[in-house]
Amino acid sequence: EVQLVESGGGLVQRGGSLRLSCEASGFTFSSYWMNWVRQAPGKGLEWVANIKQDGSEKYYMDSMKGRFTISRDNAKNSLYLQMNSLKVEDTAIYYCARLQLEPHSEAFDIWGQGTMVTVSS
Amino acid sequence: DIQMTQSPSSLSASVGDRVTITCRASQSVTKYLNWYRQKPGKAPELLIYSASTLQSGVPSRFSGSGSGTDFTLTITSLHPDDFATYYCQQNYITPSTFGPGTTLDIK
Repeated sequence: EVQLVESGGGLVQRGGSLRLSCEASGFTFSSYWMNWVRQAPGKGLEWVANIKQDGSEKYYMDSMKGRFTISRDNAKNSLYLQMNSLKVEDTAIYYCARLQLEPHSEAFDIWGQGTMVTVSS
Repeated sequence: DIQMTQSPSSLSASVGDRVTITCRASQSVTKYLNWYRQKPGKAPELLIYSASTLQSGVPSRFSGSGSGTDFTLTITSLHPDDFATYYCQQNYITPSTFGPGTTLDIK
């Protein structure tokens, strides 16, 4: 079964750090761009960052540049998000999502179940 | 960044109804527009990609159209499972951006 499973969320104080993980199974992880998307409580979806198959290219939402770092370990079929200098407004469910390989597609076809990050003041 | 808007923001309908949701981009995204359905407490699921291509396994009652800046998602004959929130997404230009969502509830 094709699956993404996030972990690492929790409660952290403002200014603290957290590292999220996303473990992939059921597909060749190293063949796909991967993404992080977040959703604040009761709000919409916000793209966070993405990373190329070999990790050579990474892109971030401006508001997270310098604070968040996306990385991957293809040998472990895992995606990571290191979050530093956390703000209360970073409180959200964080999803990892796979970029589809279909020609002419730039869609996220597989999503994890999400991991909740709560930043307290 | 490309701004995405959706209308309506909420919609009440009945099982068996046909509904249409509109998505507009602040600049052209050509055909790189995707639609997702999100049920309460669950992750989003891909319905339509490249504006009009039905994702594998998605029922044919879902369809999409449009190009450039204006897009629509149509659901014919609503099922109970379809009462959820729908998001459009452009992934033509980084950063990818999502619309604010359209919540479809039971009348």
